[in-house]
Amino acid sequence: DQQVKQNSPSLSVQEGRISILNCDYTNSMFDYFLWYKKYPAEGPTFLISISSIKDKNEDGRFTVFLNKSAKHLSLHIVPSQPGDSAVYFCAARVGGGYNKLIFGAGTRLAVHP
Amino acid sequence: SAVISQKPSRDICQRGTSLTIQCQVDSQVTMMFWYRQQPGQSLTLIATANQGSEATYESGFVIDKFPISRPNLTFSTLTVSNMSPEDSSIYLCSVLRIAPDTQYFGPGTRLTVL
Repeated sequence: DQQVKQNSPSLSVQEGRISILNCDYTNSMFDYFLWYKKYPAEGPTFLISISSIKDKNEDGRFTVFLNKSAKHLSLHIVPSQPGDSAVYFCAARVGGGYNKLIFGAGTRLAVHP
Repeated sequence: SAVISQKPSRDICQRGTSLTIQCQVDSQVTMMFWYRQQPGQSLTLIATANQGSEATYESGFVIDKFPISRPNLTFSTLTVSNMSPEDSSIYLCSVLRIAPDTQYFGPGTRLTVL
C-alpha cells in the first residue's frame, strides 16, 4: 500500500516562477514530514521539514504547507532557479519513536530559463 | 547536518556473489539506517542498524540476505548476499540527527548485478 503519494511524476516551470510540488498521505499517525532533493548519482539532500502540529514552515525560498484534514502537503519554491532542477521526494515519519521514513515516488522538477 | 561517506560508490558484480557496502559518519550518531532505491522507484527502508545488537529489518527484508553490522556509533556495513539481477539498485545509508529529527543520507552505492 502506498502511504505517501506524489501523483505528478514531473513538473516543468520557468525560471523565476513558483514551483509547487504536492504530496498526499493516508496514515494519520505520521508525525513529521520532510522534503528531499536528489540529483543524479547523489544521495538525497534534506531541504525542509514540518511537524504535524504545524501548518507552515518557511526557509528562504522554500515553504512547506501542511493540511492535516486533507492529508496533503506541498512544497513551494519561489523564485525557481535552474539549479533547482532535480527529483524531489516527500517523506513521512512513522511516529512512536521508530524514526522510519516512508517516501513518495518523487517528482522530477525541471526549471528552464 | 552530517558528513557521510559510502564505499564503494558503484560496483558491477556477478550473480551469486556478495558485496559489502561501508558507511562512515563524521561524528557519533545513535541511529543509522539502510535504504534501497530500485531503478525508477522510490526509497525503501531495509533495516535500522543498531549498535551492539542485531539490526531491525523491515517486512520483506531478512538478515540472511542483507546482513548488517554496526560495531560503533560512526560505522556500519550492509552486505548484499547471493546477488541476483533483481538486487541491482542504489543502496543508501542514512543517519538521524536530533532536534530537529532529520535523516541525512550518504551518496549511495550503485550496484549492478549481471
